[in-house]
Amino acid sequence: KNQVEQSPQSLIILEGKNCTLQCNYTVSPFSNLRWYKQDTGRGPVSLTIMTFSENTKSNGRYTATLDADTKQSSLHITASQLSDSASYICVVSSATSKLTFGTGTRLQVTL
Amino acid sequence: GAVVSQHPSWVICKSGTSVKIECRSLDFQATTMFWYRQFPKQSLMLMATSNEGSKATYEQGVEKDKFLINHASLTLSTLTVTSAHPEDSSFYICSARRTGREQPQHFGDGTRLSIL
Repeated sequence: KNQVEQSPQSLIILEGKNCTLQCNYTVSPFSNLRWYKQDTGRGPVSLTIMTFSENTKSNGRYTATLDADTKQSSLHITASQLSDSASYICVVSSATSKLTFGTGTRLQVTL
Repeated sequence: GAVVSQHPSWVICKSGTSVKIECRSLDFQATTMFWYRQFPKQSLMLMATSNEGSKATYEQGVEKDKFLINHASLTLSTLTVTSAHPEDSSFYICSARRTGREQPQHFGDGTRLSIL
């Protein structure tokens, strides 16, 4: 069964600090992995997409890594801002384009 | 580009009524649209996949007579929750995809449905 697990479930950090979110998956056959940011009451917005051959991808203060051998991905947020408070969802697409969603990490950035 | 609009963003109605939610791709043609449901603090759960001009494909456990989906054009899909009950209260999100399975899904901002 395809699964995507994320950790931690929730995280509170001070503004300006860095943090790393984790994603482990067992989706097969693998096509790509996306990280989404979902603000409360809004739809998910794509941050990064990575295919099998990509190890790292950056989008501003967001940097995603992918280890296809261990089936792990991480999302690193640098110099966090209050507006980074949201849920971050790891979504893995199979070769048949079926998406498997993680349960997300709820990040709260405080003063 | 790739903007998906959902309407309404929030609806409250009485038990037993039917509610229609619209999903529009504003600046691209969406051959395929997807409908998801999300309960508080949970991830998105796919309800159904709709292809323009054909019947929707429902996920296991989703009642097709309860959740009517129409995808009559390349820019519009609708989800109608028929005879809604309080347990149908949830956050419904649509996404749209251009032709080609390798194309990404672009998500709408969701519709919060509250049934009293």
